[in-house]
Amino acid sequence: DTAVSQTPKYLVTQMGNDKSIKCEQNLGHDTMYWYKQDSKKFLKIMFSYNNKELIINETVPNRFSPKSPDKAHLNLHINSLELGDSAVYFCASSERPGTGEAFFGQGTRLTVV
Amino acid sequence: GQSLEQPSEVTAVEGAIVQINCTYQTSGFYGLSWYQQHDGGAPTFLSYNGLDGLEETGRFSSFLSRSDSYGYLLLQELQMKDSASYFCAVRVTGRRALTFGSGTRLQVQP
Repeated sequence: DTAVSQTPKYLVTQMGNDKSIKCEQNLGHDTMYWYKQDSKKFLKIMFSYNNKELIINETVPNRFSPKSPDKAHLNLHINSLELGDSAVYFCASSERPGTGEAFFGQGTRLTVV
Repeated sequence: GQSLEQPSEVTAVEGAIVQINCTYQTSGFYGLSWYQQHDGGAPTFLSYNGLDGLEETGRFSSFLSRSDSYGYLLLQELQMKDSASYFCAVRVTGRRALTFGSGTRLQVQP
């Protein structure tokens, strides 16, 4: 069983569209994250939830909206997609916020054309 | 804020030993983690140092010196499959997510 799974793995869409990425973890962790990895491989935190509560909201355009229906799921909705949103988005989870060991999903490669 | 520095690229041959350094500047430092990422794959956790000293896990070891704000990942008996990017990441008090370095691309040659 995959510990952290996110769908879809690939997403190609046109500018201006709205899209969602889903993430689920079966590790029983309390904390989930969204990270963005750009073309230079830099991994940057976007959001963090602990027990469904938003605890980190980095300087991210408000076109990005996370939603955690329960502590095992964290989805990411993106409105009005722009070319610069093209990146790999990783979902991750950990037992506690900010702990040194986090488990990552396989990533969603988003390409905006 | 936090900043981490690690070399962008390292090349080594199979069977050799390689050390990837990481220096950091943070406030409220708590610990240093290392992650491996193969091309097209997800970052996977390798090790965490919360205290000064060496942590060994098989062929991989990680070291931390808080007084020097410095750590390293040591990979021994290199194998071709070790070719990947390696990221250091800091855990700081009051910040509830890891901050990652820019990554070091390791190329293992036959």
